Amino acid sequence: DIQMTQSPSSLSASIGDRVTITCRSSQTIYSYLNWYQQKPGKTPKVLIYAASTLQSGVPSRFSGSGSGTNFTLTISSLQPEDFATYYCQQSYSTRTFGQGTKVEI
Amino acid sequence: QVHLVQSEAEVKKPGASVRVSCKASGYTFSSYAVHWVRQAPGQSLEWMGWINPGNGNTRLSQKFQGRVTITRDTSATTVYVELSRLSFEDTGLYYCARDTFSPGGPYNWFDPWGQGTLVTVSS
Repeated sequence: DIQMTQSPSSLSASIGDRVTITCRSSQTIYSYLNWYQQKPGKTPKVLIYAASTLQSGVPSRFSGSGSGTNFTLTISSLQPEDFATYYCQQSYSTRTFGQGTKVEI
Repeated sequence: QVHLVQSEAEVKKPGASVRVSCKASGYTFSSYAVHWVRQAPGQSLEWMGWINPGNGNTRLSQKFQGRVTITRDTSATTVYVELSRLSFEDTGLYYCARDTFSPGGPYNWFDPWGQGTLVTVSS
């Protein structure tokens, strides 16, 4: 199984901050990388698919980049509703999630 | 609308087995893979395996091979996951999720998700 390593595991940020989360795969997954947001008591919601494509309805302050084994999720200006846990997921071979990044105030 | 509705919460003793169901509606059942994902309390998402409802083929995470069975009932448009030899570490929320594909492309992600089924292993 492909392993996904996400960092940091948690971060503290303020409204308006630029936030960056990284994800690394144990082998190349080309652009088969998704980013999800999960809020407490809710199911995950996809933000980005194919490494950099913004899902319909997701605010443009979210962006994704990378290919191969190194990927980044960026929130350009953190909003109150963005405090949540973020997961990367590879969809190149079976599926694997990263360990998650909790974004806190 | 596409929906996945899961069965109710379960409480089991160590060593027992549990089966969770996921009823699909609003789309052609045989056309989309369905996955199972586990989330232990306060922990990350863990992919368990998937089934192709069209032909019944399954693929499991190495971690769950030998202990997890995924099946489907096409007439009931329902997918099942069964986990045997339960231990306390199997306590958590179990989600089903359907593959969704990018327009005309090879990329896919999970959407929608079932509401989750809480499985508690307790003596």
